[in-house]
Amino acid sequence: SQTIHQWPATLVQPVGSPLSLECTVEGTSNPNLYWYRQAAGRGLQLLFYSVGIGQISSEVPQNLSASRPQDRQFILSSKKLLLSDSGFYLCAWSIESGGYNEQFFGPGTRLTVL
Amino acid sequence: KNQVEQSPQSLIILEGKNCTLQCNYTVSPFSNLRWYKQDTGRGPVSLTIMTFSENTKSNGRYTATLDADTKQSSLHITASQLSDSASYICVVRDYGGSQGNLIFGKGTKLSVKP
Repeated sequence: SQTIHQWPATLVQPVGSPLSLECTVEGTSNPNLYWYRQAAGRGLQLLFYSVGIGQISSEVPQNLSASRPQDRQFILSSKKLLLSDSGFYLCAWSIESGGYNEQFFGPGTRLTVL
Repeated sequence: KNQVEQSPQSLIILEGKNCTLQCNYTVSPFSNLRWYKQDTGRGPVSLTIMTFSENTKSNGRYTATLDADTKQSSLHITASQLSDSASYICVVRDYGGSQGNLIFGKGTKLSVKP
């Protein structure tokens, strides 16, 4: 069966510090991978998605970046965090099947920027 | 503009009671609609997924309905349990882009009280 891992689970960082969040998927090959951010009282916002190694599409301009160094590894980074980067970050994977492209979410990382 | 609106924003019910959550969308062209359950501090978990040709789908005590003509969906929870306390998110997929954009509602926060 497939599983998705994210770490760390929680993170408190000062403004201006760098960020690295990691997501790995097990039990599947060549998945589509996604990074979302969920701010309080708002719906999930797609930040990045990737259809393969080294292939990253950005949905919104921001000071975040993503990388996919391996097939089942997706990393979210920032060189300098802003207060507005606080939120709940979710990684998800999917494989197109029967037109559903159902997405499966990881446990999330709660980021607080102070 | 593609939108997904959910109501009510929050709901409190007593254990054992039934409830219905609403989702209205303006997404076009429509591909499918999903309902997710998100426990506090966790990633969303899929409950149901329906294409335009499906008007009802059940998953245990959860039953989702879809009216593609009126662009409305509902999630009915029968005999609620304390563990049903969570946010329920309606998500609609359109055909836009290579990834078939997902448009997320803001969710309905359900609290089940003993």
